[in-house]
Amino acid sequence: QVTLRESGPALVKPTQTLTLTCTFSGFSLSTSGMCVSWIRQPPGKALEWLALIDWDDDKYYSTSLKTRLTISKDTSKNQVVLTMTNMDPVDTATYYCARVSIATHEFDYWGQGTLVTVSS
Amino acid sequence: DIQMTQSPSSLSASVGDRVTITCRASQGIRNDLGWYQQKPGKAPKRLIYAASSLQSGVPSRFSGSGSGTEFTLTISSLQPEDFATYYCLQHNSYPMYTFGQGTKLEIK
Repeated sequence: QVTLRESGPALVKPTQTLTLTCTFSGFSLSTSGMCVSWIRQPPGKALEWLALIDWDDDKYYSTSLKTRLTISKDTSKNQVVLTMTNMDPVDTATYYCARVSIATHEFDYWGQGTLVTVSS
Repeated sequence: DIQMTQSPSSLSASVGDRVTITCRASQGIRNDLGWYQQKPGKAPKRLIYAASSLQSGVPSRFSGSGSGTEFTLTISSLQPEDFATYYCLQHNSYPMYTFGQGTKLEIK
């Protein structure tokens, strides 16, 4: 079955760079049409889409955050990595990775999420 | 960017009530919209895709409708497990996405 799991630091300091890893199973990012996205959710607030990487290594970013984000994949390890530079307390959030359904382009499977707090 | 306006932001209802949540897109998005349910501390769960298609395993009391700019999620008879926050998600601008602001459904 399809599973995704996020990992990374629970606490980062302001101005630091955050690196999160999504490790998945049950599908391959080398399959045509397959994509993985990152989404975040500040405490008590709405979901926000961040980035997407597809099977062909094409990368797409949120307009408002694109200067700070980098998404990459390691197909052999079944991993997708997101880096976010210049972290600020407003970036405190639960970060989710999700698989994008080939058929509908929606998020059909999600990881459990990982809470990242930005504080000095 | 396409904006999604979801309403209401919160809603109080009783078990057995019929509830409707609305999402409005800033431009036409065909039927490229899904609905998600999120319970506290959990990841969102897809309920509806392509505006009106029920995700496998989701109870039939959930339904979606709409096309273009106006979409609704209806719960025909609220059950205790339905109290949660609901989000719409547009993917017409795929591979760019926009979520609605969410609707928190609370017990009256």
